[in-house]
Order: sequence, then structure tokens, then C-alpha cells
Amino acid sequence: GENVEQHPSTLSVQEGDSAVIKCTYSDSASNYFPWYKQELGKRPQLIIDIRSNVGEKKDQRIAVTLNKTAKHFSLHITETQPEDSAVYFCAAKNSGNTPLVFGKGTRLSVIA
Amino acid sequence: KAGVTQTPRYLIKTRGQQVTLSCSPISGHRSVSWYQQTPGQGLQFLFEYFSETQRNKGNFPGRFSGRQFSNSRSEMNVSTLELGDSALYLCASSPGQSTNEKLFFGSGTQLSVL
Repeated sequence: GENVEQHPSTLSVQEGDSAVIKCTYSDSASNYFPWYKQELGKRPQLIIDIRSNVGEKKDQRIAVTLNKTAKHFSLHITETQPEDSAVYFCAAKNSGNTPLVFGKGTRLSVIA
Repeated sequence: KAGVTQTPRYLIKTRGQQVTLSCSPISGHRSVSWYQQTPGQGLQFLFEYFSETQRNKGNFPGRFSGRQFSNSRSEMNVSTLELGDSALYLCASSPGQSTNEKLFFGSGTQLSVL
């Protein structure tokens, strides 16, 4: 089955700097890669997703890139703000009726 | 639309007991997935139900079971609780009509086993 590795497990950045979180996946058939943000004490929420027919997707300050050949994808957050502090989870899934498999998460702290 | 609702929000049990957690999906959603969240282990998949049938199952022992009702509400049961079962249990719903759909999570049930 699918296995998703996520790095780093913790990340601290100064407010205004960029943050990058990287994930690798094992199943070459995976074609859907969402990112979830979980603030302290709250539910995980989808912030951006990408499908394998595109290499990059942007939404304001966040972007995701996908390298299918290398089987890795990354989340980029620019101009970080304190409210970006949260745990971020990457995930991967193929097009069959298989579950969404998550990485172990990255705790991002944005220091004002 | 109301979001995904999980009850209870908190539970404290002792080893050996059993527990039932409930999840009401977003209206119209027919797929409900359950995940176990523990510090450092992320979100581990338990099982998924669609139209009252278990569609997928994760690598958890048989003490973990679930079911889905005709109104798409789902329950999961853990029997013979162990200390290591202490975790946040999250359910997530999706329409279930296609294979790569956004998951909408509930707030979870925090289970503590003493």
C-alpha cells in the first residue's frame, strides 16, 4: 500500500520568511495530493490540493509543487504570518477506492 | 450545511472496557472515514464506510470495528481497551461519488484510557 514520508517534523521560521514542507510517496499510481492544516485544538482542514496532471498550483501565499518522476511534492508558504502556525499534513491517494494516506505531520511555528 | 459532528467530545475509560464513538456526516455525504491521531504518528487510517458497506480497512486489530447506518451516520467501537488506544479519533465525510474527493473532518473524540 501507499506510504507517505513527511519532513521536517518541526519547523520554526521568522514572520515574513518562507516555509517549505516536503513529502515523498511510494505508490506510483497515486494521483491526488492534498494538504491539510490543523490548528491547535481544531479539526484538520484542506488548504490546497494538486492532481498529477499539473506540476504546480498556487493559492495566494501557498503553493504546492509535484514531481511525479521523483515521487515527491512540497508545500510552500511565503510571507509567513503567526496565524500560519499549525500542524500541516500531506497526503496521497490513487484513483481507486483506496484510502487517503497521510504523512506524520509538520509542526510549523511562525515567530513574530 | 452543518459540518461533521462527532460525539462525545471527550471520553475517559479504563483498560478492558469498550467504547462507542459516533459520527454524523455532512448532509448528503455517503462516505465516512475514521482516523486515529496520536502525537508523532499523524493520522492513521482505520476504516471507510460507503452506503453501509465497509469499503476499506486499515491495519488495526480486530478490536476496532465500525458500522454505518442507512442515514450515513457511522459508529466505531473499540473493545478491550488498552492504554495505547488513547488518541484523538477523527471521522471525515465526503460525497463518495468519485474517488478523489475532499475530506471534511469532524472535531474528533479525545479518548483517554487509564
